[in-house]
This record gives sequence, structure tokens and C-alpha cells, in this order.
Amino acid sequence: AQSVTQLGSHVSVSEGALVLLRCNYSSSVPPYLFWYVQYPNQGLQLLLKYTSAATLVKGINGFEAEFKKSETSFHLTKPSAHMSDAAEYFCAVSGGTSYGKLTFGQGTILTVHP
Amino acid sequence: DTAVSQTPKYLVTQMGNDKSIKCEQNLGHDTMYWYKQDSKKFLKIMFSYNNKELIINETVPNRFSPKSPDKAHLNLHINSLELGDSAVYFCASSQGPSGGTGELFFGEGSRLTVL
Repeated sequence: AQSVTQLGSHVSVSEGALVLLRCNYSSSVPPYLFWYVQYPNQGLQLLLKYTSAATLVKGINGFEAEFKKSETSFHLTKPSAHMSDAAEYFCAVSGGTSYGKLTFGQGTILTVHP
Repeated sequence: DTAVSQTPKYLVTQMGNDKSIKCEQNLGHDTMYWYKQDSKKFLKIMFSYNNKELIINETVPNRFSPKSPDKAHLNLHINSLELGDSAVYFCASSQGPSGGTGELFFGEGSRLTVL
């Protein structure tokens, strides 16, 4: 069984500030981990993914995430927030099967203030 | 070209009606999915098809019936609609068993409102 917990349903930052969105996972098999972003009234778009290669993963739009097995975490960061980063972010885990069944976290809404 | 496209984007209907949502992907993927996003934005898988065969069927009422005429299409038919079926339904696709890492490509969603 797999699960994902995103700490904080809402995160608010100032433009130019560090963005940190937290994700902890549980998986009985080596996990694949993902961050997706959803803009209003749109589908989900992949930001980045961890698939057992490098533990520090770089994604689109300046985001990166680090896989920490000892902490069962996959937190998403960006050094400097931009207004366009305002969206909802979802962490997800799959069990390494090829069928892509993802278990999603509850989502974190990121607000960026001028 | 839109990679994963769903129709309709918006659907408003009365309780008890039957409705369908269609999905098509032009990515050449083998596997397609239906996910439901409820009012709290929680995303949960409903079904998955691999090469037209049902491989994932979560605990979903049998009023929901997916159909995959070919690997590029996955439709969702819902009978006897209930208020609780109101949600956004997302279609997604991924590479099949030969090399998939679980990365999904999502459509823009179909917002179903049941009155």
C-alpha cells in the first residue's frame, strides 16, 4: 500500500522568497515520486519526477526536489518565487509498476504575494 | 496538437440522467486512466486500461462503465447520475508495461455538475 501526505494545504510566500512544499510518502516497494502542478481550470502538468536515479531532481520552471529515503520525504523547493508559480501542487507516488497507478497527496495551494 | 483531449469540458445535468465523457490521446501510449477530483481537490484513480484491457478497477459504483474501443481512446459512461458524482473527471495516459515510470499525461478535465 502507498500513501502521500502533504504538510500544509496552503502555503503563502512573497515574490522572490524561497518556496518549500512538503511531501512525505509511504511505500512498501521502492517508490517513484512525482510533483505535479495544476493551474486553475486546467489539467495536471508534471513538474519533476524521481525514478531511482539522482536523489536531487531538477524540474521545469526552476523547481527541484530531493528524495530522502531515511526521512521518506520528497520536498519541493524553488529559490525565488514568481507570481506565475501560484497554483496547486500535488505530490504523488507510484510503486514502480509499469501501469502508472499514482497515489496523490491532498494538494498544496501556493499563493505568491507581490 | 493537444496530447490528451477530453470532451465535453463542462457538463451540467439532472439527477438520474446518463452521460458520457470521451477521451483521446495522440501520444502513442498504451495505457489510459480515469481519475476523479472531488470538491476538495482530492484525486483518486477510478480505472485504467492497457491496450484496451481493463487493468485497474478501483472501488467505483457499477453505474460507471469505462470503454476503450482502441488504445488511443477511453470513454466513461455514467448511468443514473447522483449528486455525489459531481466532480472533475480527468483522463490521463502513460507509456505501457515496456518502459513506463508512472509519469502520466493529463487532459484538461471534464467538470460534471449534477443538479
